[in-house]
Amino acid sequence: QVQLQESGPGLVKPSGTLSLTCAVSGGSISSNNWWSWIRQPPGKGLEWIGEISDPETTIYNPSLQSRVSISIDKFKNQFSLNLNSVTAADTAVYYCARKRKGDSRSADYWGQGTQVTVSS
Amino acid sequence: DIQLTQSPSFLSASVGDRVTITCRASQDISSYFAWYQQEPGKAPKLLIYAASTLQSGVPSRFSGSGSGTEFTLTISSLQPEDFATYYCQQLNSYPLTFGGGTKVEIK
Repeated sequence: QVQLQESGPGLVKPSGTLSLTCAVSGGSISSNNWWSWIRQPPGKGLEWIGEISDPETTIYNPSLQSRVSISIDKFKNQFSLNLNSVTAADTAVYYCARKRKGDSRSADYWGQGTQVTVSS
Repeated sequence: DIQLTQSPSFLSASVGDRVTITCRASQDISSYFAWYQQEPGKAPKLLIYAASTLQSGVPSRFSGSGSGTEFTLTISSLQPEDFATYYCQQLNSYPLTFGGGTKVEIK
């Protein structure tokens, strides 16, 4: 059973950098899947941020592309999100997820989510 | 970007009711389409992928249909644990996008 767990600071100052890590257990991050970040502002819907596939092919949402980077650490079996120049609009619950490739593409495993608040 | 328009945005129903939620895409997305259920304070859970394939472990009262630009999620007999918010997602082209959500509440 694949499990994902997000970790990182719950509070980030405006103009700072949001950094989160997603630890993957029960499966290899080098498997033939995409590893995704999705966020949900309070009381709102889901927004896809971007994803990475080993060996480090990344695709980002154009709305965030200038501020976001996703990386993978095969040795620790985890992947990370960095979002810089944050504002209050980046306050959200951030989820990591595994997205299958091919005809069954879909996010089948999700982390529990982590709340990140941007505030001074 | 491909826009997904979900309807209705809110639905009030009783246990045992048949419920249908629709999602329309702004362009053809073939069958690269999924439905998720989100309970309050929890992560989304995959229900349906490839427009009509039931994810392992999901009760058979859930079903999906459609292709191209119009998709439907049906719950054949609503159960107490089904009161949640449902989201559609297109996975045909980047950026991946979600519908605005349908909140299903108890009548």
